[in-house]
Amino acid sequence: EPEVTQTPSHQVTQMGQEVILRCVPISNHLYFYWYRQILGQKVEFLVSFYNNEISEKSEIFDDQFSVERPDGSNFTLKIRSTKLEDSAMYFCASSPQGDYNSPLHFGNGTRLTVT
Amino acid sequence: AQKVTQAQTEISVVEKEDVTLDCVYETRDTTYYLFWYKQPPSGELVFLIRRNSFDEQNEISGRYSWNFQKSTSSFNFTITASQVVDSAVYFCAGARQLTFGSGTQLTVLP
Repeated sequence: EPEVTQTPSHQVTQMGQEVILRCVPISNHLYFYWYRQILGQKVEFLVSFYNNEISEKSEIFDDQFSVERPDGSNFTLKIRSTKLEDSAMYFCASSPQGDYNSPLHFGNGTRLTVT
Repeated sequence: AQKVTQAQTEISVVEKEDVTLDCVYETRDTTYYLFWYKQPPSGELVFLIRRNSFDEQNEISGRYSWNFQKSTSSFNFTITASQVVDSAVYFCAGARQLTFGSGTQLTVLP
């Protein structure tokens, strides 16, 4: 069964550094998402992406964050200058439709630790 | 705005017991979808079920069953004859940016 893959599984970075989290969505899916889960807390929406542009974003997704689909397969989340509070599990997801009525397929996540 | 409430933060049962996880979804939308996801200790999010708001039939899949009642905005999830492998955090989520509840940690003891 096709799946969403995320790399790396764990990233450690120093405060102020830039990080790029990578995702390969399911190949025939058109809608892509990033979610964040701070340890022990709920999963929070960050951003949705369709047709090479952001469809929606939450208030968490400030100017420090950006997303990109640099080629036909990858979908990346960049954090420009990481803060301690950015430490979390970041999940990428994709779906064939963008109405949230289709289940989102999540990757296994990237655990980001900012020191 | 929508709100997903999972009032049970932790539940502990002994293997083979039945357990019900509660979820209340509040929204102004008249039609919507609700989901349950499982997050095992390994951390991934596993889709379990989707339900639309105009279908209040109970659904059963093996040991899992779901009860959706629009009048009370509840979408409850029951595991029958629980097993140790069911131990996980279970999230209820509503459509629109897939808003997640805070999750219920289920521990099934042998």
